[in-house]
Amino acid sequence: NAGVTQTPKFQVLKTGQSMTLQCAQDMNHNSMYWYRQDPGMGLRLIYYSASEGTTDKGEVPNGYNVSRLNKREFSLRLESAAPSQTSVYFCASSGIGQMETQYFGPGTRLLVL
Amino acid sequence: ILNVEQSPQSLHVQEGDSTNFTCSFPSSNFYALHWYRWETAKSPEALFVMTLNGDEKKKGRISATLNTKEGYSYLYIKGSQPEDSATYLCAFNTGGFKTIFGAGTRLFVKA
Repeated sequence: NAGVTQTPKFQVLKTGQSMTLQCAQDMNHNSMYWYRQDPGMGLRLIYYSASEGTTDKGEVPNGYNVSRLNKREFSLRLESAAPSQTSVYFCASSGIGQMETQYFGPGTRLLVL
Repeated sequence: ILNVEQSPQSLHVQEGDSTNFTCSFPSSNFYALHWYRWETAKSPEALFVMTLNGDEKKKGRISATLNTKEGYSYLYIKGSQPEDSATYLCAFNTGGFKTIFGAGTRLFVKA
């Protein structure tokens, strides 16, 4: 039981390049989330998927797209990376119910030059 | 814009000290308050979720209280140990799928 897994762990991009961050969970959770974490700030929600087949914008969605491929997988795509997207990205999942505890992946550290 | 504030930003204590941190959140539209523990180079892990005014939760030496009317929660650690060194996050939920996280309190416990 791996919980929430993310790939890659670390990535360096040049401005304008694109990439997809992958996330998968094996806890049969309905809801999945993407956050970014920047120094001195709390985790900020980029996008979430309340259930398979749905996605919604969070607090900071600009410059990102997501795909809920199936119940297990939720990917985050940067179409044209910018230095402002340098951050640590965390994927999380939770069960049914909006007060449910979220379970986090190990994070992807992204550097955009 | 909903805001969750945590204080202090960081805290240095000696092994054996007891300590506490504060999480402040909007008192309106309250649904749930979560505390997470985040060790360096790891992912945040859940400590508590509280939903009712006056809730108190305890796990070992760590406990938390909730006051939804005035919009704050306290996290207490009794007899801090070096392994308690971590960032403690609180997160506020208004009933939707969007959870607002505070920036955290970073605790350093010196042996």
